[in-house]
Amino acid sequence: EAGVAQSPRYKIIEKRQSVAFWCNPISGHATLYWYQQILGQGPKLLIQFQNNGVVDDSQLPKDRFSAERLKGVDSTLKIQPAKLEDSAVYLCASSGLGEGFDEQYFGPGTRLTVT
Amino acid sequence: AQRVTQPEKLLSVFKGAPVELKCNYSYSGSPELFWYVQYSRQRLQLLLRHISRESIKGFTADLNKGETSFHLKKPFAQEEDSAMYYCALSGSRLTFGEGTQLTVNP
Repeated sequence: EAGVAQSPRYKIIEKRQSVAFWCNPISGHATLYWYQQILGQGPKLLIQFQNNGVVDDSQLPKDRFSAERLKGVDSTLKIQPAKLEDSAVYLCASSGLGEGFDEQYFGPGTRLTVT
Repeated sequence: AQRVTQPEKLLSVFKGAPVELKCNYSYSGSPELFWYVQYSRQRLQLLLRHISRESIKGFTADLNKGETSFHLKKPFAQEEDSAMYYCALSGSRLTFGEGTQLTVNP
């Protein structure tokens, strides 16, 4: 099966600019996650969707970050305006609704550099 | 609050030597623990989970609730094991440690 797709793979912007990332999960996966991975750290969950509803956005900096998952498939994550500390790899993951354990499958990530 | 600690950022061993990647956690409930791996230029992927009690690619990990640890072990390291390893805990959400970069030298 095709894996989680993300675009762009790399993005360089200046501080105070806006940026958006796109994620296409594995077909049929109901749950979608966005993680932020700062250099030298492990991934940190920003937001989790179940279909098109938000399950957990407690760690999303809502003053500048927003995410949506229209129609319960693709998702976009936006940062507006960006700060230097937003430089990181943004990972998207998806998981299915199978019984028991739902393994998360990760995309390749988008590396954001804010200058 | 849930927290995962991996005390070693870097670990280097020779091929054929035993390897142990340490992981400690804090969580008030009953934890579910995982090891994820990221090989060079590849995606982050699940290596193993404590509930399955499997050996994957020769790696095993035992959950020690008394010591709140979930160390990853392999008796004979191979060069292809060189990668970034993350310990993770699933409580209210999946929480990752900071990772250990394992290098297996020839």
